[in-house]
Amino acid sequence: DAGVIQSPRHEVTEMGQEVTLRCKPISGHNSLFWYRQTMMRGLELLIYFNNNVPIDDSGMPEDRFSAKMPNASFSTLKIQPSEPRDSAVYFCASDRGWSNEQFFGPGTRLTVL
Amino acid sequence: AQRVTQPEKLLSVFKGAPVELKCNYSYSGSPELFWYVQYSRQRLQLLLRHISRESIKGFTADLNKGETSFHLKKPFAQEEDSAMYYCALKAGGYQKVTFGTGTKLQVIP
Repeated sequence: DAGVIQSPRHEVTEMGQEVTLRCKPISGHNSLFWYRQTMMRGLELLIYFNNNVPIDDSGMPEDRFSAKMPNASFSTLKIQPSEPRDSAVYFCASDRGWSNEQFFGPGTRLTVL
Repeated sequence: AQRVTQPEKLLSVFKGAPVELKCNYSYSGSPELFWYVQYSRQRLQLLLRHISRESIKGFTADLNKGETSFHLKKPFAQEEDSAMYYCALKAGGYQKVTFGTGTKLQVIP
C-alpha cells in the first residue's frame, strides 16, 4: 500500500484564487482527517469524516474553507478565496476508526502570495 | 474540552545527553496519549502510545495522571533523534485526536 496519498505536494497561488487539495486514504480506513500545520499553532485539526460523513468541522477556520468526501477513497479540502494567512502545510490522515494510530500523508505545502 | 501543551518549541541537547520532551494535558476523562514524530522530509508517524508501555528507539513515556503529564524521555540522545515531536491526546470514546504545538529536538554532534 502506498499509504495516504495527497496532491499536489506543493501549491503556489495568488490571493483570491481557489485552491483544492486532494487526499486518498488507505484502503479499508473509514476515518479521514484534515490538519493544518504552522509554526505558530502547530498541528490543528480542521475536520474529520467517519464513513464519508463529516463528524466534526469545528476546526475549519471560516466559511472560505470547505471539505468533502464523496466516497471512501477520496476527499477534497477547498479554500475559496485563498488568503496569504492560509499559507501552511496541510496534512491528510486516515485510520480504521477503532485503531489508535493515524497514518499521515506527505502533506501539501500551500503558499498564497 | 481536551488540551495538550508542549511548552518548548525547540530543545537542543548534545549527543549522549539525556532528553526529556515535556507534555501536559487537560482532560476530564481517561485519555489515551501518544507521541508522534516527524523526521526531516518524512511523514508524521506514531512513535509510541501510553497503553503499550513500550520503548521505541530508546524512547519511553509514562502517563502521570496526578501531574497530567506524558513526558517523552531518552537516556542518551543520538543525532538521528533530531526531529519534530508531537504529543497527542485521544478522548475516550471519540476518534478526534488533539495535538500539541510540537517540539523540535535538535541533537548537537
